[in-house]
Amino acid sequence: DTAVSQTPKYLVTQMGNDKSIKCEQNLGHDTMYWYKQDSKKFLKIMFSYNNKELIINETVPNRFSPKSPDKAHLNLHINSLELGDSAVYFCASSPTGGYTGNTIYFGEGSWLTVV
Amino acid sequence: GESVGLHLPTLSVQEGDNSIINCAYSNSASDYFIWYKQESGKGPQFIIDIRSNMDKRQGQRVTVLLNKTVKHLSLQIAATQPGDSAVYFCAENNRYKLSFGAGTTVTVRA
Repeated sequence: DTAVSQTPKYLVTQMGNDKSIKCEQNLGHDTMYWYKQDSKKFLKIMFSYNNKELIINETVPNRFSPKSPDKAHLNLHINSLELGDSAVYFCASSPTGGYTGNTIYFGEGSWLTVV
Repeated sequence: GESVGLHLPTLSVQEGDNSIINCAYSNSASDYFIWYKQESGKGPQFIIDIRSNMDKRQGQRVTVLLNKTVKHLSLQIAATQPGDSAVYFCAENNRYKLSFGAGTTVTVRA
């Protein structure tokens, strides 16, 4: 069973479109995250939710909107896609978000290409 | 601010040799660190972690060393194998978020 699963794995879309990436974790974790990895492999956090509540919102354009219908799901919706949005987006989860020793588990990634 | 970085972007290692991957961090208040391995086309996978009240921690073929005086972290891989070829990240866990360094690409030569 996949612990953190995200769909789609690959997505090619045109500029200006709106797209969503879905994420689900079956680990019973309270906290979920979205990370973005650029072409140089640099990983940067975008959002974090703890029990459906937004707790981290890094400097991300408001075209990106996360939604957590329940603590096992965290979806990422992107409006008006731009070329610079092309990247790999990783969903992740951890037991909680607030103490040392809290290992974060990552999904396999969603490769987004904007053309 | 906080930043986590790695000294070298690439490392080429002969199969069977030991590998050492280095990382420097800037936030002296950081109290927990993790090493991740990312294989091509996959997400980062947890390798080993260490709390700031420790200097050394060992796993299976891996050892993490923490030097808080100079804010330096290293990952040692014993008897490197072809399956160890990947990008390795150190990360600093600070409450609700994990801050990553830029990554070191390890290539194992046969």
